[in-house]
Amino acid sequence: DQQVKQNSPSLSVQEGRISILNCDYTNSMFDYFLWYKKYPAEGPTFLISISSIKDKNEDGRFTVFLNKSAKHLSLHIVPSQPGDSAVYFCAASAGNQFYFGTGTSLTVIP
Amino acid sequence: SAVISQKPSRDICQRGTSLTIQCQVDSQVTMMFWYRQQPGQSLTLIATANQGSEATYESGFVIDKFPISRPNLTFSTLTVSNMSPEDSSIYLCSVRTGGYEQYFGPGTRLTVT
Repeated sequence: DQQVKQNSPSLSVQEGRISILNCDYTNSMFDYFLWYKKYPAEGPTFLISISSIKDKNEDGRFTVFLNKSAKHLSLHIVPSQPGDSAVYFCAASAGNQFYFGTGTSLTVIP
Repeated sequence: SAVISQKPSRDICQRGTSLTIQCQVDSQVTMMFWYRQQPGQSLTLIATANQGSEATYESGFVIDKFPISRPNLTFSTLTVSNMSPEDSSIYLCSVRTGGYEQYFGPGTRLTVT
């Protein structure tokens, strides 16, 4: 049973525009959420996170929004750059266990 | 953060053989994890590698198939035993350094023929 879902396998965005990546979860016990970025032939790298006590966390061009009532989080990248092209995974944590989505492949078109 | 290396980076193996993947971290960490990412799938936790005790396996993964060693706080190995083509995957070592963030190694791409 997939507890964390990324329903869009791919997304294409023009350079300079906003990229919005979405993630849904089913377990209300999740208390910490993370986004990872993965380039081909590399392991995932941590990007940004948010605690369940917050609804927004911002780090430079990256902002994560959490809507607990909808069990939904999103990652906004603005402005998008060609170097942002990668696969983005969302993850949710309850205790020591992490659950990952299947990833969204973002392509930023120059 | 932590710097994690894995060996080998990739391998092509024959059905029925075994492969041991090594994971080295540049600092002592309490929690080390092994994940698998099959084509088109999410990262799936195989087990938590515990230093000084047996690994804790997730549902669907067993010690006979994926034996794990954790001799110290900077090193772990995962063995994929009696391989079949279904074991073709990327295997990733991961650590948590104290906060919620996890850091991943570069992965080992395994192809079983």
